[in-house]
Amino acid sequence: DQQVKQNSPSLSVQEGRISILNCDYTNSMFDYFLWYKKYPAEGPTFLISISSIKDKNEDGRFTVFLNKSAKHLSLHIVPSQPGDSAVYFCAARFLNQAGTALIFGKGTTLSVSS
Amino acid sequence: DTEVTQTPKHLVMGMTNKKSLKCEQHMGHRAMYWYKQKAKKPPELMFVYSYEKLSINESVPSRFSPECPNSSLLNLHLHALQPEDSALYLCASSPWGGGGGITQYFGPGTRLTVL
Repeated sequence: DQQVKQNSPSLSVQEGRISILNCDYTNSMFDYFLWYKKYPAEGPTFLISISSIKDKNEDGRFTVFLNKSAKHLSLHIVPSQPGDSAVYFCAARFLNQAGTALIFGKGTTLSVSS
Repeated sequence: DTEVTQTPKHLVMGMTNKKSLKCEQHMGHRAMYWYKQKAKKPPELMFVYSYEKLSINESVPSRFSPECPNSSLLNLHLHALQPEDSALYLCASSPWGGGGGITQYFGPGTRLTVL
């Protein structure tokens, strides 16, 4: 059973427009949510995170919104650039006495055309 | 230096071979992780080391054996693997074990092929 879901496998956007990537989760115990970007043959690169007690976090062109009641978060990229084309993973962090770990969604492939 | 390095980049091994994957970070991070990623799938957690002690083992088969010789190094020893173990193996680290260190920094991965 997937605890973190990215239901859109791909998204195509024109340069300069907004990209919105969505993520849903099922476990109320997650305390942080993170977005990672991954290019082929590279490891995931951290983009932005949000605490479960916040509803918005912004960093430059990237904004993450959290709707805790809907168990839904989204990543907005404005304006989108061709270099943003990559696979975007949503990840949720859980913390227990053994330590912390991330659970990843399946990813959304973003293509930004010029 | 926010870099996690992994060697080798590519590894091809037979089912009877013994090999090791290496991961290194010099950011002073106290938590290190091994993930496995198959094609078109998300990274899946294998092991977590917190302050050089194994804290999470996600029911990984014993043919995968992790080792944390010190706070900067993480190894994954491989023995008698199966072809279905072919995947990208990712190492990550985060600043603190336990509750701190939200962000995990990933290495580039080792692409493993088991023949």
